[in-house]
Amino acid sequence: EAQVTQNPRYLITVTGKKLTVTCSQNMNHEYMSWYRQDPGLGLRQIYYSMNVEVTDKGDVPEGYKVSRKEKRNFPLILESPSPNQTSLYFCASSLADRPSTDTQYFGPGTRLTVL
Amino acid sequence: AQSVSQHNHHVILSEAASLELGCNYSYGGTVNLFWYVQYPGQHLQLLLKYFSGDPLVKGIKGFEAEFIKSKFSFNLRKPSVQWSDTAEYFCAVTYPYNTDKLIFGTGTRLQVFP
Repeated sequence: EAQVTQNPRYLITVTGKKLTVTCSQNMNHEYMSWYRQDPGLGLRQIYYSMNVEVTDKGDVPEGYKVSRKEKRNFPLILESPSPNQTSLYFCASSLADRPSTDTQYFGPGTRLTVL
Repeated sequence: AQSVSQHNHHVILSEAASLELGCNYSYGGTVNLFWYVQYPGQHLQLLLKYFSGDPLVKGIKGFEAEFIKSKFSFNLRKPSVQWSDTAEYFCAVTYPYNTDKLIFGTGTRLQVFP
């Protein structure tokens, strides 16, 4: 089944403890992206990648890192999480190398709580 | 600044009522427009999209949207809503000077009561 998977789906952690949220797609998509969803703020882009080894900052990149070593994987890394990173995180991908003309396929979301 | 506005934050309707959700963008040139929906506990999924051509776009589940360039709008409509339409709806846009990014609005939460 064509899909975007994220792990874990739920995570409660403490301030400063490094964590990684994985994202994987099996559709051979070029473009991958991370968003965070917060009440009243909608979805805001954290980082995106148009191709392997090509990543760029979105609108809210502070406190996050990403890597794109393989086409199918795009992990989100929080080196030192803080409570303001408590949010619902979505990974998305699309076939084209940019989202302007293509449907984004979203993962199921990761609900992160940082205490 | 690049932005997408959804002025209706929370809409409550009874079944069979008509729906119109507003979406406005902030650029006078060509844009690509999308509506995504997030049903409770599910992934975001595409409802419809507009790139060019007929400004009235039909999507899944009976939804449609009309692109009105003079009003910078791309409102979502459905003539008769059902309880199963309860969801959060997001308008999104890509601007031609920054095609790397899909910019989302803040979302509209729709509740439909039987």
